[in-house]
Amino acid sequence: AQTVTQSQPEMSVQEAETVTLSCTYDTSESDYYLFWYKQPPSRQMILVIRQEAYKQQNATENRFSVNFQKAAKSFSLKISDSQLGDAAMYFCAYRSPSTWDYGGSQGNLIFGKGTKLSVKP
Amino acid sequence: NAGVMQNPRHLVRRRGQEARLRCSPMKGHSHVYWYRQLPEEGLKFMVYLQKENIIDESGMPKERFSAEFPKEGPSILRIQQVVRGDSAAYFCASSPGTQGLPGPQHFGDGTRLSIL
Repeated sequence: AQTVTQSQPEMSVQEAETVTLSCTYDTSESDYYLFWYKQPPSRQMILVIRQEAYKQQNATENRFSVNFQKAAKSFSLKISDSQLGDAAMYFCAYRSPSTWDYGGSQGNLIFGKGTKLSVKP
Repeated sequence: NAGVMQNPRHLVRRRGQEARLRCSPMKGHSHVYWYRQLPEEGLKFMVYLQKENIIDESGMPKERFSAEFPKEGPSILRIQQVVRGDSAAYFCASSPGTQGLPGPQHFGDGTRLSIL
C-alpha cells in the first residue's frame, strides 16, 4: 500500500522569504500523480500544484514550485516570496493512475498528515 | 457557484441519531469521493462512487456508514447511530470521467459534524 509522510508538523517563515515543505512517499508503482493541497482556517481544500510522475520537469505555479525526486520518492514544495495569505495547513497527496481494475482503489487520494505553515509579518 | 456543493456546512447530532451529509458534484462530473478528516489529521479516503454504483468502499467503516449516488440528486453519506468518534470534517470531491477514467478531483468546503 502507498503511504505519504510529511515529517514537519509545523514550519514558520518570514514574510517575503522562501520556505520548503518536505514530503516523501512509498510506492511500488512507476506511474502516479502527486499533489500539494492547501487548507486555510476556512477548511477548504485548495489544489496548489500537481506533478505527473512520468514528467521529469518540476511543476511550477507562480510562487509555488516542487522538487520532485522520483528515485528518492521525494516531493517537496517551495514557496517563494511568502505572503501572509500563505499561512495554512499544507497536505501532500498521492494518487495511483486510474484503471478499470475494480479490485483496486480507483484513483482516490492518499494524504500525508500535513504541515502547518505560519507566516510572520 | 459551479463548484462542488456540500451541505450542511455544520451539522450537530446527539449520540444515537442519524447524520446525512449531501454532496452535489460539479456540473458534468460523474465521479464522487468522500473523505474524512479527524482533528489534526490529513484526509482519509472513505468511498468512491459513480452514478448508481459504489466502485470502492475500502475506506468505509463496516457498520453504520453507507453512501449512495443516485441517478438523480446529490450523493449522500449516511451515518446511523452516531457516536462521539464520528465527529470530524467530511469532504466530498468530484471529478469528470474522461474515456472512463477519473480526472482531477475538486473538493467541496466540507461538512463539520459534531456529536454531542
